[in-house]
Amino acid sequence: DVKVTQSSRYLVKRTGEKVFLECVQDMDHENMFWYRQDPGLGLRLIYFSYDVKMKEKGDIPEGYSVSREKKERFSLILESASTNQTSMYLCASSLRLAGWNRLDTQYFGPGTRLTVL
Amino acid sequence: TQLLEQSPQFLSIQEGENLTVYCNSSSVFSSLQWYRQEPGEGPVLLVTVVTGGEVKKLKRLTFQFGDARKDSSLHITAAQPGDTGLYLCAGADTGNQFYFGTGTSLTVIP
Repeated sequence: DVKVTQSSRYLVKRTGEKVFLECVQDMDHENMFWYRQDPGLGLRLIYFSYDVKMKEKGDIPEGYSVSREKKERFSLILESASTNQTSMYLCASSLRLAGWNRLDTQYFGPGTRLTVL
Repeated sequence: TQLLEQSPQFLSIQEGENLTVYCNSSSVFSSLQWYRQEPGEGPVLLVTVVTGGEVKKLKRLTFQFGDARKDSSLHITAAQPGDTGLYLCAGADTGNQFYFGTGTSLTVIP
């Protein structure tokens, strides 16, 4: 079974702090994703990575950065946390990116609920 | 811009009832998926549909992809408390972009 783990289930930080969210997958997947989930808005893509050291902006990258130094690990960084970044953060991985006429299965971690005070 | 709108946003029903959840867009999608997210967990894939008009069944769940590939529905027969969760559709458009829908939160009351 694919396993995607996230470093924390709950995190409380103060405005202005630098925050690191870590994600690890154990299935040698090429692609990894970071989403934030807010009620009524579904999942919104922040960044994704299709290879080590490669990254692409998603729909809402402002205020975030990412790092992928190893294939199995994808980190989301909030350089200076703000209250509007309070949310549930979900990491996912997939074998392949969506290609023409296909959607690959994404495997999700359990999520990190981040509260910024 | 939210390309995939789901309705209803919230649904609370009694055990044994039937229900339908909708996923609609003004855009054409090359394929579409449905995920279920249980409380405290990440979403898990239920099904992928790729052909307009396609119908797939998974036990008591029936998934349909619209003929025009702009919409999809999920029908649950005789709902059970274990069906409780957030149902998300996700679609890949013809430009290889993919999007998640707004979600439908289902509660099945025993």
